[in-house]
Amino acid sequence: DVQLLESGGGLIRPGGSLRLSCAASGFTFSNYAMSWVRQAPGKGPEWVSTGTAGGGLHYADSVKGRFTIYRDNSRSSLFLQMNSLRAEDTALYFCAKSSSMNRDVDEFDYWGPGTLVTVSS
Amino acid sequence: EIVLTQSPDFQSVSPKETVTITCRASQSVGGSLHWYQQKPGQSPKLLIKYASQTFSGVPSRFIGSGSGTDFTLTIRSLEAEDVATYYCHQSITLPLTFGGGTKVEIK
Repeated sequence: DVQLLESGGGLIRPGGSLRLSCAASGFTFSNYAMSWVRQAPGKGPEWVSTGTAGGGLHYADSVKGRFTIYRDNSRSSLFLQMNSLRAEDTALYFCAKSSSMNRDVDEFDYWGPGTLVTVSS
Repeated sequence: EIVLTQSPDFQSVSPKETVTITCRASQSVGGSLHWYQQKPGQSPKLLIKYASQTFSGVPSRFIGSGSGTDFTLTIRSLEAEDVATYYCHQSITLPLTFGGGTKVEIK
């Protein structure tokens, strides 16, 4: 079974940094694009970033220059380094797997339970 | 950025009735439109991919249709377990975007 488990969330002051992790299992991690999607309280999902199987990196404009996505295929893990955090980054952050092998962008067939990031002074 | 507009925002329906949710894209997404179900306290779950393909394990009462800019999710014979918020999502181009959601409640 595909499993995704995020960790690393917490309470952080504005301007601070946080690193999120996603441990994946149940599929060949290196073959799939993996993404971070966030959801602010009471709002819909918002795409944040994608790391493709081929090494491509894509970001939403709202996080470009502040967040960095990277993946460790040997450990089937996805990471999101978040710097210069703002109050508007407060959200539940999900790790999500793309449905098709070797496609850069696609629908998300599996999501983790999420890790909560709260940016507040 | 492609904006996805869902309607209605909220729908209250009696059991066994049919629910219809629409998603309109600000420009054509071809068939690259997907639907998710999110129950309270849970992560979204894929229901329909590429407008009309039912994802593995999803009951046949969930039906997707449409192409281009106009899409519909139909839930036939609503069951209590279908209480959730439903989101559409496009993957034709970056940035990937989602609709604002439609909350479905049992009357």
